[in-house]
Amino acid sequence: NAGVMQNPRHLVRRRGQEARLRCSPMKGHSHVYWYRQLPEEGLKFMVYLQKENIIDESGMPKERFSAEFPKEGPSILRIQQVVRGDSAAYFCASSPFAGPYEQYFGPGTRLTVT
Amino acid sequence: DAKTTQPNSMESNEEEPVHLPCNHSTISGTDYIHWYRQLPSQGPEYVIHGLTSNVNNRMASLAIAEDRKSSTLILHRATLRDAAVYYCILSVNYGQNFVFGPGTRLSVLP
Repeated sequence: NAGVMQNPRHLVRRRGQEARLRCSPMKGHSHVYWYRQLPEEGLKFMVYLQKENIIDESGMPKERFSAEFPKEGPSILRIQQVVRGDSAAYFCASSPFAGPYEQYFGPGTRLTVT
Repeated sequence: DAKTTQPNSMESNEEEPVHLPCNHSTISGTDYIHWYRQLPSQGPEYVIHGLTSNVNNRMASLAIAEDRKSSTLILHRATLRDAAVYYCILSVNYGQNFVFGPGTRLSVLP
């Protein structure tokens, strides 16, 4: 059973471009979570999605950031008009159930904005 | 948001037990306590979690204080591969939202 997959692993964007980060959850998992980790800091929750629904987006910046988890295909975290402060590692995690259960993390996407 | 407090760093000798403390004085009755660890350039890895009772698994033990305001992760015999940042996490909002603490960087000396 393959683990959580994220691609690309590294992404370089110039200021003002768009960044699209993809997350394929573990087989059978319908709950996806996105986190952001700034250098030398802990992870910060961004958004929690189930198939076709955003359940909790309390950690998402109000502008430029959006997330989706369509019925088919991976979950996408989209950052429009990137700025240098968006440079970070973005991790997604998946779980088979809602609630306080183990979350399985992917290897992360490291975004660098130049 | 419920918060956790951990020491910034700890050291242990290989083959010895390690006790990693975490304070969470503002924990609410429905918040679970989770521990994850993160090796350099990797995603976090689940270690253990619990609500009120002490928990054991093949990786570690979790000791939860009676008032639930603190907990301790116990690695029974540290190995070099246990060197990582250990995060004590409260899953608030009935588990839908992990609030990561600052983490403890564990160094294991041979």
